[in-house]
Amino acid sequence: EVQLVESGGNSVQPGGSLRLSCAASGFRFGSYWMHWVRQAPGRGLQWVSRIDPDGSMTNYEDSVRGRFTVSRDNAKGTLSLQMESLRAEDTALYYCTRSTNASFDYWGQGTPVTVSS
Amino acid sequence: SYELIQPPSVSVSPGQTATITCSGDALPKKYAFWYRQKSGQAPVLVMYDDKKRPSGIPERFSGSSSGTVATLTITGAQLEDEGDYYCFSPDITGDNRVFGGGTKVTVL
Repeated sequence: EVQLVESGGNSVQPGGSLRLSCAASGFRFGSYWMHWVRQAPGRGLQWVSRIDPDGSMTNYEDSVRGRFTVSRDNAKGTLSLQMESLRAEDTALYYCTRSTNASFDYWGQGTPVTVSS
Repeated sequence: SYELIQPPSVSVSPGQTATITCSGDALPKKYAFWYRQKSGQAPVLVMYDDKKRPSGIPERFSGSSSGTVATLTITGAQLEDEGDYYCFSPDITGDNRVFGGGTKVTVL
């Protein structure tokens, strides 16, 4: 059974840092593109970042580029999102999701991030 | 930055047809994907590659794309089809992805 379990969400002050993790199981993790998607409270979905199967290619949404870094450890089956210089507008539920043929077929339950003073 | 534009809401009577549009400049060259999200749940894929239905999605769901507009149609909407629907597509470079703002579908 495919499972994606996010962790690391927390409350942090503006300007702070946080590292999110996503533990994957039930599939060959190193064969799939992985993405982060977030959803601010009461708002729509926002794509955040993606990473290719071997970790050599990454892309970011404009507002997080230069502040967030996506990475993966295929040996451990984990996806990470290092978030720096956090802003109030980064407050959201962060989902990790697997991409198959360009569509997201499995999602985690999300981990909440709150940026507030 | 690239945007996909959706109507904020669509209302439909049970058994009638709901149509949700998604406008984006790159859609003539990029596939559209559609996700439905119910309150408190993770999104679920309901259409991919413009018009292909994943297994488990009822036949009343169909998709199309023409020019800069992709469309998701629910023919004979049911109460269980209520939710927020998001279109999703790459930008013209293919490097980045974008969700539309979402359309709240109400069946009443």
